[in-house]
Amino acid sequence: QQQVKQSPQSLIVQKGGISIINCAYENTAFDYFPWYQQFPGKGPALLIAIRPDVSEKKEGRFTISFNKSAKQFSLHIMDSQPGDSATYFCAASTTGGYQKVTFGIGTKLQVIP
Amino acid sequence: SQTIHQWPATLVQPVGSPLSLECTVEGTSNPNLYWYRQAAGRGLQLLFYSVGIGQISSEVPQNLSASRPQDRQFILSSKKLLLSDSGFYLCAWSRGTAEQFFGPGTRLTVL
Repeated sequence: QQQVKQSPQSLIVQKGGISIINCAYENTAFDYFPWYQQFPGKGPALLIAIRPDVSEKKEGRFTISFNKSAKQFSLHIMDSQPGDSATYFCAASTTGGYQKVTFGIGTKLQVIP
Repeated sequence: SQTIHQWPATLVQPVGSPLSLECTVEGTSNPNLYWYRQAAGRGLQLLFYSVGIGQISSEVPQNLSASRPQDRQFILSSKKLLLSDSGFYLCAWSRGTAEQFFGPGTRLTVL
């Protein structure tokens, strides 16, 4: 059962454009939504995260938008750069008790010059 | 600061051979530890997690096993590898929050 659905699986964006990756979840008990960035041959690294009490969080060129009623959240990368080319994973978890993280399938982003 | 190590970085093993991958965490105590497998186009699959020494929970039935002999050491093992065990194995730790920190990974190829 895929509890976190992520789309698209691949994305090509021109340099300077906006990259948008969408995720949807089913479990209403989730209360923590991180995004991870993974470069080829490396482990994922936490990029930005949001809790459901806010609708948007911005860190530099990266913004998470969160829609609790629709059970959807998205990552926007503004002014996309070739160095942003990586695989991005959305995830969801609970913060109480054992914090099992459920990951989306990943989006391979390529930013072309 | 905390650091997570995994070794080996790459491994090529024949079908039916044993496996031992090691993960160690430095700079923290009593971390939650995780083993994930990442297959191409299939995201991150949680294999095992541990909240303490000797405490292992399995998420997916398979021919792999995990052990935690020390507080900051997590080992992934197999007695006989299958072709389907090929993949990128990632160890991660957390400090009791939902934020997880991943190691550099081990690329396993079973031939």
